Amino acid sequence: EVQLQESGPGLVKPSQSLSLTCSVTGYSITSNYWGWIRKFPGNKMEWMGYISYSGSTSYNPSLKSRISITRDTSKNQFFLQLNSVTTEDTATYYCARRRVALDYWGQGVMVTVSS
Amino acid sequence: DIRMTQSPASLSASLGETVNIECLASEDIYSDLAWYQQKPGKSPQLLIYNANSLQNGVPSRFSGSGSGTQYSLKINSLQSEDVATYFCQQYNNYPTFGAGTKLELK
Repeated sequence: EVQLQESGPGLVKPSQSLSLTCSVTGYSITSNYWGWIRKFPGNKMEWMGYISYSGSTSYNPSLKSRISITRDTSKNQFFLQLNSVTTEDTATYYCARRRVALDYWGQGVMVTVSS
Repeated sequence: DIRMTQSPASLSASLGETVNIECLASEDIYSDLAWYQQKPGKSPQLLIYNANSLQNGVPSRFSGSGSGTQYSLKINSLQSEDVATYFCQQYNNYPTFGAGTKLELK
């Protein structure tokens, strides 16, 4: 069974970088697309970006200057880095697999940006 | 970006009732639409993709329809376990989500 698990710090200071890891079991990240999505307090959902089976990336234009998604195929993990965070980046962050739609999700990790 | 206008924002219905949730896209998304269910404290679960295809393992009381810019999710014979927030998402362009519909029992 495909399983995804997010990990990373739950608290980040403003202006610093947010770094999260998504560990995937039961399926190779060299197939399909793998993405990051976040849910803000108040329920708004935002797609952040994907990394493809080949390692190419696609990002939400609103984040393009701050975001990087990379991967380590030997560990079957992919990563999110979001730079220069502000309190508006406080959210629950999810990783997910995209085949057609987002069919497998991690359980989510809550990240608070605060000094 | 493509804006998804989802309605209603909240909905109260009785057990056994039929429920409809709508999503209106700001431009034609050619049926590149998914519906998700999210229960409190859980991650979203895919219900419907390509506007009307039922994801494996999802009960047949859930169905999706629509084309162009207008789409809907129907839940027949509402069950207690259907209490959740429902989101639509388009993936024709870079993905965007509706604001969600919170479904409660009356």
